[in-house]
Amino acid sequence: EVQMLESGGGLVEPGGSLRLSCAASGFTFNNFAMNWVRQAPGRGLEWVSAISGIGDLTNYADSVKGRFTVSRDNSKNTVYLQMNSLRAEDTAVYYCAKGMNDWTYFFDYWGQGTLVTVSS
Amino acid sequence: EVVLTQSPATLSLSPGERATLSCRASESVSSSLAWYQQKPGQTPRLLIYDASNRGTGIPARFSGSGSGTDFTLTISSLEPEDFAIYYCQQRSTWPLTFGGGTKVEIK
Repeated sequence: EVQMLESGGGLVEPGGSLRLSCAASGFTFNNFAMNWVRQAPGRGLEWVSAISGIGDLTNYADSVKGRFTVSRDNSKNTVYLQMNSLRAEDTAVYYCAKGMNDWTYFFDYWGQGTLVTVSS
Repeated sequence: EVVLTQSPATLSLSPGERATLSCRASESVSSSLAWYQQKPGQTPRLLIYDASNRGTGIPARFSGSGSGTDFTLTISSLEPEDFAIYYCQQRSTWPLTFGGGTKVEIK
């Protein structure tokens, strides 16, 4: 059974940093691209970042480029999102989402999400 | 970036009726479009990928069509569990983008 469990969310002041983790199981982790998608309270879905199976390719939404960094440790079946210079508009539930394969960036499994709140 | 515009914003229908949801792209995305369903308090579920292929375990009442800039998700006969928000998403061009969603509510 495919499972993904996010952690690392919480309350942080504007300008602060957080590191999210997503531990995956139930599939051959390094064969699949992984993504982060967020959803602000009461709002729609926003793709944030993607990383290829072996971690050699990354992409970011314009809204987070230069502030967020995605990485993965395939020995630990874990993907990370380092978030720096956080802003109030980054407040959202952050979902880890598995790609259908290493080149098809549709999301067939989602974690339950971790809430990030940016507020003073 | 590719802007996806979903219409209508809200669709009010009764169980058993047919639902037709639209997603229009600001430029061609070929067939690189997916549809997701999200119910309150739940994570999104992949319904359709590559415009017309049903995801794993998705009932046959859900179908997708279209290519280029105009796409449609059709639910042939609404079941009570189908009342939810539906999003389209393109993977043709970076950055990946989602539409704003269509809420299907009970009339």
